[in-house]
Amino acid sequence: EIVLTQSPGTLSLSPGERATLSCRASQNIPGNYLAWYQQKPGQAPRLLLYGASSRATGIPDRFSGSGSGTDFTLTISRLEPEDFAVYSCQHYGIPPYTFGQGTKLEI
Amino acid sequence: QVQLVQSGAEVKKPGASVKVSCKASGNTFTIYDINWVRQATGQGLEWVGWMNPSGDTGSAQKFQGRVSLTRNTSVGTYYMELNSLRSEDSAVYYCARYIDGQGFVLWGQGTMVTVSS
Repeated sequence: EIVLTQSPGTLSLSPGERATLSCRASQNIPGNYLAWYQQKPGQAPRLLLYGASSRATGIPDRFSGSGSGTDFTLTISRLEPEDFAVYSCQHYGIPPYTFGQGTKLEI
Repeated sequence: QVQLVQSGAEVKKPGASVKVSCKASGNTFTIYDINWVRQATGQGLEWVGWMNPSGDTGSAQKFQGRVSLTRNTSVGTYYMELNSLRSEDSAVYYCARYIDGQGFVLWGQGTMVTVSS
């Protein structure tokens, strides 16, 4: 099973700043089948990015993803107040579809 | 607009079973690839298992032998049953629609399962 490690565990920033979140896999992710999800308290996760860099429907372009193989990055170019949440990466190519432990983005 | 609507919260005793449902409202005719994910309070997301449109199923190794994934296509509803419950199974359980190449594109609202004596 692929183990995903996210860093940092918590990231403290202010609105308007740039956020960079990392997700490292224990082995190569086939086809770059790596997704990022956003989750706010009391809500279900929401798909942000898939295929490491493709934005899901309705996701603003301040969210971008990069990386391949074992190292992936989610970047939020200019933080809006509604972006403060928990972000999780996931590989979904071949089961088991494991998740990272999450990065909490806080003000 | 399809939504995944899950059943309500459950409280169970250790050793019991729980069955959570997930209904695809808005379109009961299309058979989806549905996955199940759980999240204990304050913890990360944990993948439980899947059922594809062909009816094949699979689960994470830690749940094998204890989880059963089924569906009733006539009413567009998917089910996850977890047996031999223990306190560490207390979590919010989510169903999610999987699309190959895109991941989990649509999620249910979650079902809180509490296991307590």
